[in-house]
Amino acid sequence: AQTVTQSQPEMSVQEAETVTLSCTYDTSESDYYLFWYKQPPSRQMILVIRQEAYKQQNATENRFSVNFQKAAKSFSLKISDSQLGDAAMYFCAYRSSMNYGGSQGNLIFGKGTKLSVKP
Amino acid sequence: GAVVSQHPSRVICKSGTSVKIECRSLDFQATTMFWYRQFPKKSLMLMATSNEGSKATYEQGVEKDKFLINHASLTLSTLTVTSAHPEDSSFYICSARAPRGPSGNTIYFGEGSWLTVV
Repeated sequence: AQTVTQSQPEMSVQEAETVTLSCTYDTSESDYYLFWYKQPPSRQMILVIRQEAYKQQNATENRFSVNFQKAAKSFSLKISDSQLGDAAMYFCAYRSSMNYGGSQGNLIFGKGTKLSVKP
Repeated sequence: GAVVSQHPSRVICKSGTSVKIECRSLDFQATTMFWYRQFPKKSLMLMATSNEGSKATYEQGVEKDKFLINHASLTLSTLTVTSAHPEDSSFYICSARAPRGPSGNTIYFGEGSWLTVV
């Protein structure tokens, strides 16, 4: 079974600085998807960035970028020029590209990292 | 981007009653929707996978008769908590998988529903 591990329960960053959130995963599959979701106090899950495992190029979305190391099964998120609005819980998630029975490839989440941004 | 709407956002019900939560995909057809439960300061726990036109697939430990899921159309899935008890109080989130395309294989989440059973 696949697992996702976020080893940092909490992180803090100064406004305008850069912070990296760690995520590792375990899988025997070769094709899959990885995601970072942000959950602010409103509890709305917001997709931050996604990465297809077959793509070697790291995904980038404005101030958010990932360091995807497939061999090491690592998928870290870098937030540049941190803003107060970035403060939230961040969840790393894995999704298989295959369908297993009725699950249709649901997301497997890490436990989350709570990011605080200091003004 | 794809939008998933969940209703109600907050609901309070009496112990022993049933409450229904709706999950709608507003701008795409979702053959598969997912229902999660999130305990305070915890990650999301998958409860069940809702498949349009067929029975839901429940995760181990989730009571099928207590958490009824109906995926009657390609844009609507409902979760009904039957005979609710205070321990069912939680934050419930639905998600839907976008079809193939620019957003393909991306899962979008509803706003979540706070259920309080008194």
